[in-house]
Amino acid sequence: NAGVTQTPKFRVLKTGQSMTLLCAQDMNHEYMYWYRQDPGMGLRLIHYSVGEGTTAKGEVPDGYNVSRLKKQNFLLGLESAAPSQTSVYFCASSQLRGGEQYFGPGTRLTVT
Amino acid sequence: AQSVTQLDSQVPVFEEAPVELRCNYSSSVSVYLFWYVQYPNQGLQLLLKYLSGSTLVKGINGFEAEFNKSQTSFHLRKPSVHISDTAEYFCAVSGPRGGSQGNLIFGKGTKLSVKP
Repeated sequence: NAGVTQTPKFRVLKTGQSMTLLCAQDMNHEYMYWYRQDPGMGLRLIHYSVGEGTTAKGEVPDGYNVSRLKKQNFLLGLESAAPSQTSVYFCASSQLRGGEQYFGPGTRLTVT
Repeated sequence: AQSVTQLDSQVPVFEEAPVELRCNYSSSVSVYLFWYVQYPNQGLQLLLKYLSGSTLVKGINGFEAEFNKSQTSFHLRKPSVHISDTAEYFCAVSGPRGGSQGNLIFGKGTKLSVKP
């Protein structure tokens, strides 16, 4: 099993550009999550999904949109990138709500 | 609302010395508790978890943690560290499975630096 994979691994955007980050998991997990990690801030939840076709806002949702059209995929979109969105983005999945989460390797995004 | 406080942002220690990374949480409901480790330029990997039962939890790489409900703490310990334990460690808490309380709340992390 590959576990949780993320593409791309690195990306540089100019302010105002858009992009989509893809997360895929092969563990048949119901729950999926997008986090951002900034120095000294820990991980903060952006959006999450409790099943195919559902999404919900986390702690820092502004400027991001998500979709979960297939159970195994969770997409994170930035419609108009801003320098404040420079961060490392992690996707995670879990079988049980509140249980152990499995993390992807991360995407390092720089917005200039 | 739940919150997690990791009391030390950086912990330097010499190889083969013991280490304790401190974590306190606040929650008005029953919780699940986790410690994750992040090696440089990698994702997070689960070290150990407390869901119920014995308050002393053993994890991978010789780490253990003790759940103390009265002090709302979940400190991570290792009796003898190795250079390879150099990493950032995150404490996390989640609540009952319903609603946003089922999401993990992370502390800000503790960077463990093991020196030869």
